[in-house]
Amino acid sequence: AQTVTQSQPEMSVQEAETVTLSCTYDTSENNYYLFWYKQPPSRQMILVIRQEAYKQQNATENRFSVNFQKAAKSFSLKISDSQLGDTAMYFCAFMKHVNTGKLIFGQGTTLQVKP
Amino acid sequence: DVKVTQSSRYLVKRTGEKVFLECVQDMDHENMFWYRQDPGLGLRLIYFSYDVKMKEKGDIPEGYSVSREKKERFSLILESASTNQTSMYLCASSFGSGVEGSYEQYFGPGTRLTVT
Repeated sequence: AQTVTQSQPEMSVQEAETVTLSCTYDTSENNYYLFWYKQPPSRQMILVIRQEAYKQQNATENRFSVNFQKAAKSFSLKISDSQLGDTAMYFCAFMKHVNTGKLIFGQGTTLQVKP
Repeated sequence: DVKVTQSSRYLVKRTGEKVFLECVQDMDHENMFWYRQDPGLGLRLIYFSYDVKMKEKGDIPEGYSVSREKKERFSLILESASTNQTSMYLCASSFGSGVEGSYEQYFGPGTRLTVT
């Protein structure tokens, strides 16, 4: 069975600095998708970034980028130039096949951006 | 914008009550999901549905059932609420496979259920 592990329950960063959130996963699949979702204090979860396992290039969305290490089964999220609005809980998630749409989530990391 | 709404933000029920949590999406999504969110455990899938009247068990279906009579509406039912079902419940929806962007799930605001 697939598992997703986020080993950092809480993190903090100063505004304008860079922070990296860690995620590891376990699977025997070769084709899959990985995601980072953000849940701000208002609770509506939104997608931050996704990575297809067959793509070697790391995904980037503005200030958000990932470091995808397929062999190591590692998928970290880097937030550059942190903003107060980045304060949220961040979840790493794994999808085996787009067909099912089913996600397996990690435990979450609470990120506090300090002014 | 995709909108996923849930019937209540906060709900307090007594042990043994039957509880209905409603979720409605307005994007004609095929897939709908119910999760529960607990500290330190992340989100765990309770049930999902990939079409009207179709449902599949997720990872923690015990004590729950679901209903999907219309495409836009997916209900989670706690047949006899227990204190260990006190949690945050999140609904989500997504397109079916083969549709561009079908990987993305859109979430509702959540229902904080307390069972006393």
